[in-house]
Amino acid sequence: KAGVTQTPRYLIKTRGQQVTLSCSPISGHRSVSWYQQTPGQGLQFLFEYFSETQRNKGNFPGRFSGRQFSNSRSEMNVSTLELGDSALYLCASSPGRGGRTDTQYFGPGTRLTVL
Amino acid sequence: QQQVKQSPQSLIVQKGGIPIINCAYENTAFDYFPWYQQFPGKGPALLIAIRPDVSEKKEGRFTISFNKSAKQFSLHIMDSQPGDSATYFCAASKNYGGATNKLIFGTGTLLAVQP
Repeated sequence: KAGVTQTPRYLIKTRGQQVTLSCSPISGHRSVSWYQQTPGQGLQFLFEYFSETQRNKGNFPGRFSGRQFSNSRSEMNVSTLELGDSALYLCASSPGRGGRTDTQYFGPGTRLTVL
Repeated sequence: QQQVKQSPQSLIVQKGGIPIINCAYENTAFDYFPWYQQFPGKGPALLIAIRPDVSEKKEGRFTISFNKSAKQFSLHIMDSQPGDSATYFCAASKNYGGATNKLIFGTGTLLAVQP
């Protein structure tokens, strides 16, 4: 099976702009989670989507949003970009079985630089 | 209570040595403890994971030891090789009833294996 794919791999934006990142999960996986990775804060959970519904959300401002489509592909959007939003944004997919926490498989990430 | 504390921050070992990375948690509701390996420019890759009903798990050269009473778990890498040089993250997750996949990550350990 193909792994998790994320596009684009690199992005440069300026403050105040907005950005949309895309994630295609492993075929058959129904859960997609997003994480932000920075040198200062490490890996932080943004949100998780399952069957087109947000199932859990981390402690990020409302400028960060996401959605999931019927084919399980997901997008995240960051509006009114700030310098501190520069980070590696990682998408993780998992089967989405009920009962216990799933194994999550990460994509290569999108490196966002805000100037 | 949501934190996972990881140590050491960095580690240097000789080829063939056994690096040990430790993690501690507070929240007894955590029920899934994975370890991820990350190379520069790549997303984290799952190495091995354990659940609290076992005290040890081995997969190849990687072993997780789990001490439920002490709320600690550790990663041992047997016969370490220069190719194991990477950043290692421990993580923890708890089931929110609907099988959500929110991972709480440790701060990471940069491992260098010298030839």
